[in-house]
Amino acid sequence: DAGVTQSPTHLIKTRGQQVTLRCSPKSGHDTVSWYQQALGQGPQFIFQYYEEEERQRGNFPDRFSGHQFPNYSSELNVNALLLGDSALYLCASSLFAGLYNEQFFGPGTRLTVL
Amino acid sequence: AQSVTQPDIHITVSEGASLELRCNYSYGATPYLFWYVQSPGQGLQLLLKYFSGDTLVQGIKGFEAEFKRSQSSFNLRKPSVHWSDAAEYFCAVVSQGGNKLVFGAGTILRVKS
Repeated sequence: DAGVTQSPTHLIKTRGQQVTLRCSPKSGHDTVSWYQQALGQGPQFIFQYYEEEERQRGNFPDRFSGHQFPNYSSELNVNALLLGDSALYLCASSLFAGLYNEQFFGPGTRLTVL
Repeated sequence: AQSVTQPDIHITVSEGASLELRCNYSYGATPYLFWYVQSPGQGLQLLLKYFSGDTLVQGIKGFEAEFKRSQSSFNLRKPSVHWSDAAEYFCAVVSQGGNKLVFGAGTILRVKS
């Protein structure tokens, strides 16, 4: 049973560019959440997708957008990259109807903005 | 708003010694609490969780945590630390509405031989 997978593992971009990160949830899960983890900090919630809709959003600007596909996989898009967007981006999957939102995390994508 | 505080940024313990990592939360109702561990370059692995019932919960890798409502704490413990336990540990609480996890800033554990 494959867990949560993310691609790519690492990514280097320059300021102003756009980036797309991908996530496949754990088998049987229908909900995907995205978190940003800056160096030395805990993960910060970006948004959550269920039934192909954004259900809740954290305190992130509109430059951060996402999408969920019918197979429950998800993409995170960041436009007009800033140096401060450099971070580890974590995807977590869960069952929307599951108790207490127990989330399973992928290994993350390390984004470096130069 | 919910918040989680992990007062210790770094902790160093000797191999074989006991460990306690502190976590304090701010939450209006009964919290759902988690401890995760993150090794370098890895994602987050769930160690244990508290939802209700017995306030002492057992997790994987010999870890346990105790929920103390009166102190708003959920401290993680292990009786004997192994070198492989060196990692960063995060305490988290589920937000009201249950849609997101709110994490503490983490505690980096170093194990000396």
